[in-house]
Amino acid sequence: EVQLVESGGGLVKPGGSLRLSCAASGFTFSSYSMNWVRQAPGKGLEWVSSISSTGYYADSVKGRFTISRDNAKNSLYLQMNSLRAEDTAVYFCARGRGAALTAYYFDYWGQGTLVTVSS
Amino acid sequence: QSVLTQPPSVSAAPGQKVTISCSGSSSNIGNNDVSWYQQLPETAPKLLIYENNKRPSGIPDRFSGSKSGTSATLGITGLQTGDEADYYCGTWDSSLSAVVFGGGTKLTVL
Repeated sequence: EVQLVESGGGLVKPGGSLRLSCAASGFTFSSYSMNWVRQAPGKGLEWVSSISSTGYYADSVKGRFTISRDNAKNSLYLQMNSLRAEDTAVYFCARGRGAALTAYYFDYWGQGTLVTVSS
Repeated sequence: QSVLTQPPSVSAAPGQKVTISCSGSSSNIGNNDVSWYQQLPETAPKLLIYENNKRPSGIPDRFSGSKSGTSATLGITGLQTGDEADYYCGTWDSSLSAVVFGGGTKLTVL
């Protein structure tokens, strides 16, 4: 059974940093691209970042967030720096599928971890 | 403002059929495949449809997807109260080099 478990969320002040983790199990982690998708309170879904061999980022986080993975530990990470109030959201880890970006989708999602940026 | 446009809400009676539209452009829906996600209250999103019209294992055939030009549609037949949820469309946007989602549609089963 595929499982994705996020951790690392919490309360942080504007300008601060936080590192999210996603522990994966039930599949060959190194064979899949992985993603972070966020959802601000009461709002819709927003793609944040993807990684296969290289990383892709939404413009809203480019230069502030860094996605990485450790295939030996079956883990995905998101280093978030220079955090802003508008980064407040539940952050979901999601497995990516699709033979190409033109057919990309997310087939499994974790339960999410809440990041609150507030003074 | 979301890149993909969905109606904020739709409603129908139990047993009836409902459709949810998702409108985009040539840089996203027009040239890329669409996926649909169901998010029940206080839960993570769940994949319903991928590659425009394919259902993952375990998704009942009451759920269907289609695409024409720069628009996509999710159809749900035989509505149940358990279908009350937010539904999102998503796809790759070749101009933005990003995955984009619709703003979400809240389904109410009256």
